[in-house]
Amino acid sequence: KAGVTQTPRYLIKTRGQQVTLSCSPISGHRSVSWYQQTPGQGLQFLFEYFSETQRNKGNFPGRFSGRQFSNSRSEMNVSTLELGDSALYLCASSLPGYPEAFFGQGTRLTVV
Amino acid sequence: AQTVTQSQPEMSVQEAETVTLSCTYDTSESDYYLFWYKQPPSRQMILVIRQEAYKQQNATENRFSVNFQKAAKSFSLKISDSQLGDAAMYFCAYRSDAGGTSYGKLTFGQGTILTVHP
Repeated sequence: KAGVTQTPRYLIKTRGQQVTLSCSPISGHRSVSWYQQTPGQGLQFLFEYFSETQRNKGNFPGRFSGRQFSNSRSEMNVSTLELGDSALYLCASSLPGYPEAFFGQGTRLTVV
Repeated sequence: AQTVTQSQPEMSVQEAETVTLSCTYDTSESDYYLFWYKQPPSRQMILVIRQEAYKQQNATENRFSVNFQKAAKSFSLKISDSQLGDAAMYFCAYRSDAGGTSYGKLTFGQGTILTVHP
């Protein structure tokens, strides 16, 4: 069974640009969550999607957005990139009714 | 809001020995889950073990076991017979069972870097 797949693995963007990251969950998993990991702030929850609906959102500015498609694949978008957005972005998926989250390998975003 | 604290930024252990990583958490909820995740240099977060708050019995997965003290809000991870492959950053995480604004949200501690010496 394939794990959670995140693409791309690495990205370098310029300040002011926007970026879209993709996450394909484990087959059958309908919940997808996103996290930002930085050395200073640690792991912070961005948002969670289930059946194409955002059910929960962390404390991030509106520049961070996401969506989920009917096949449960999810994308997150960051507009007007800032240097502080440089981070590892992790996606996790879960089965309905199960608390465990399984993570992808992350996308390393560098904003220059 | 829930918080998770790992007070040991770094720990080290000799191969084949036992090490315990500490975690405390703060919550007013009664139903929740606790997890330990491992993040090796490959960066992928790997689930090590899970504990349901309603279960008094401590969870065990092969060489990994926890000491769950609900009243003290403590959740430590014991790694027995440590192996070189256990070297990684370990995160303690909390997840509410309440639904609503807790959907999909894991609250993580700051992490503990574990070094295993041959």
